[in-house]
Amino acid sequence: AQTVTQSQPEMSVQEAETVTLSCTYDTSESDYYLFWYKQPPSRQMILVIRQEAYKQQNATENRFSVNFQKAAKSFSLKISDSQLGDAAMYFCAYRSAGSNYQLIWGAGTKLIIKP
Amino acid sequence: ETGVTQTPRHLVMGMTNKKSLKCEQHLGHNAMYWYKQSAKKPLELMFVYNFKEQTENNSVPSRFSPECPNSSHLFLHLHTLQPEDSALYLCASSQERIGDEQYFGPGTRLTVT
Repeated sequence: AQTVTQSQPEMSVQEAETVTLSCTYDTSESDYYLFWYKQPPSRQMILVIRQEAYKQQNATENRFSVNFQKAAKSFSLKISDSQLGDAAMYFCAYRSAGSNYQLIWGAGTKLIIKP
Repeated sequence: ETGVTQTPRHLVMGMTNKKSLKCEQHLGHNAMYWYKQSAKKPLELMFVYNFKEQTENNSVPSRFSPECPNSSHLFLHLHTLQPEDSALYLCASSQERIGDEQYFGPGTRLTVT
């Protein structure tokens, strides 16, 4: 069975600096999708970024980028120029490319932004 | 209303009560999900409906009973819950193509006394 591990329960970063959140996963599949979701306090969970395993190029969305290392089964999220609005719980998730609808979730990392 | 809505946002119930959580999606999606979110634990998928048909039931106790009357509405009926069922219950929807993201509602904060 697939598993997702986020080893950092909490991270803090100074505003305007860069922070990297770690995520590792375990799977025997070769085709899958990886996601980072953000859940701000008392607000809805939203997708930050998505990576297809068959793509070698790392996904980027504005200040958010990933470092996808397929062989190492690592999928870290880098947030550049951190802003106060980035404060949230960040969840890494895995999904098989097969017909199963299930997302496998990590336990989350709480990101604190220091002004 | 846009996106995914959930009502109520907060619910306190006794162990002998019966209540229902409601979820509605305004995105034209064909799949809907119930998740349980407890502190410091990964999200737990409870139920999945695709085109109104239940496709996943991850060993959820029978005191949780889902209902999906159409592809836009999803209910979670609750009865004789336990204190350990206190959690944030999230509803999500997606257009079920491989790799599509799930859109989440704000959740219902449930407290069982």
